[in-house]
Amino acid sequence: DTEVTQTPKHLVMGMTNKKSLKCEQHMGHRAMYWYKQKAKKPPELMFVYSYEKLSINESVPSRFSPECPNSSLLNLHLHALQPEDSALYLCASSRTGGTSGYEQYFGPGTRLTVT
Amino acid sequence: GENVEQHPSTLSVQEGDSAVIKCTYSDSASNYFPWYKQELGKRPQLIIDIRSNVGEKKDQRIAVTLNKTAKHFSLHITETQPEDSAVYFCAASKRSSASKIIFGSGTRLSIRP
Repeated sequence: DTEVTQTPKHLVMGMTNKKSLKCEQHMGHRAMYWYKQKAKKPPELMFVYSYEKLSINESVPSRFSPECPNSSLLNLHLHALQPEDSALYLCASSRTGGTSGYEQYFGPGTRLTVT
Repeated sequence: GENVEQHPSTLSVQEGDSAVIKCTYSDSASNYFPWYKQELGKRPQLIIDIRSNVGEKKDQRIAVTLNKTAKHFSLHITETQPEDSAVYFCAASKRSSASKIIFGSGTRLSIRP
């Protein structure tokens, strides 16, 4: 299984709502990532988890809260978002260790609209 | 930190012709260079990658070259087909506990019939 899955596919939320995005992989990867992608731009790294521990936070506002309950699951909790947070949110996973970087496998993304 | 520059931002080629996309990176410690293709509304998908101990790699119509001295790497697509139309991202990464990759700004490739 070389697939990363994400739910939901689409999400519309108001600025006062609380919602969560979910990501799952069963490739045995111990690194998982959250990216934000705006139209016509490259994916922008938000968070990296390595062995279920947060290893990188790219100065993301606290209204985004990541969680890694186990080695296969990654969540992104959303609270009090702004309209400018509307974007495609991509999850990815990869191997870790070794002497160089590894391919990241991306999920299909969640299209988020904040109203 | 690492910076990856990508050119051109848009590229239109006649079907059957070749397309070349170029990238430069700033961090000499980078040693893994993937290329991702992203079709409209879909996820980025790896199409080819190269590690710094190799100068060139080919997979059917796609090839990547790496010049470590100049910190340049390029994607070459030969005999282009309509299904090659997409946005292509180059990226650079280095050894770490988790592979943080830095993306280039993307190239929108259009294949004219």
